[in-house]
Amino acid sequence: EAQVTQNPRYLITVTGKKLTVTCSQNMNHEYMSWYRQDPGLGLRQIYYSMNVEATDKGDVPEGYKVSRKEKRNFPLILESPSPNQTSLYFCASSLGTDQPQHFGDGTRLSIL
Amino acid sequence: QKEVEQNSGPLSVPEGAIASLNCTYSDRVSQSFFWYRQYSGKSPELIMSIYSNGDKEDGRFTAQLNKASQYVSLLIRDSQPSDSATYLCAVNQGRGSTLGRLYFGRGTQLTVWP
Repeated sequence: EAQVTQNPRYLITVTGKKLTVTCSQNMNHEYMSWYRQDPGLGLRQIYYSMNVEATDKGDVPEGYKVSRKEKRNFPLILESPSPNQTSLYFCASSLGTDQPQHFGDGTRLSIL
Repeated sequence: QKEVEQNSGPLSVPEGAIASLNCTYSDRVSQSFFWYRQYSGKSPELIMSIYSNGDKEDGRFTAQLNKASQYVSLLIRDSQPSDSATYLCAVNQGRGSTLGRLYFGRGTQLTVWP
């Protein structure tokens, strides 16, 4: 089954404790992206990657890191999480930038 | 800042009616346009993609694109209660330094009542 898998689905943690949200896709997609979704603000792009070893900033990259060492994986790293990063996070992938994106099920992060 | 604006909701229509959702975008060079549906607590799922001016139909859904006026709309005919969700408009420029950027509107919440 074609899918984008995110882990964990839910996480409650404390300020400053490094965490990684994994994202993996099995569709051989070139393009992957991370979004956060907050009430009243909609979906905002954090980082995206158009290919292996190619990543770039979206609207709200501050406080986040990503890497794309292999095509299928695109982890999101919060080196020192803060409460303002409490949000619902989605990973997505597509064949290309002009193609529809397939979204993962989301990760709900709470930073206390 | 590349802006994508959607008509403010919530939008409420009776079952069987036509629901009309609108989206305007600020960057004239935008190339690719998408409508996603998002049920509460779920991830967005694609409804339609459209790339050329005019109408594109898929079942009860019709997307309309007018690049000169910089708007894209989604019509839902014979609306059903199962269509009740938030609809997200997304726009990709498709060129230059923002090739990989996808801009979303804040969404329009649609309720279809029986």
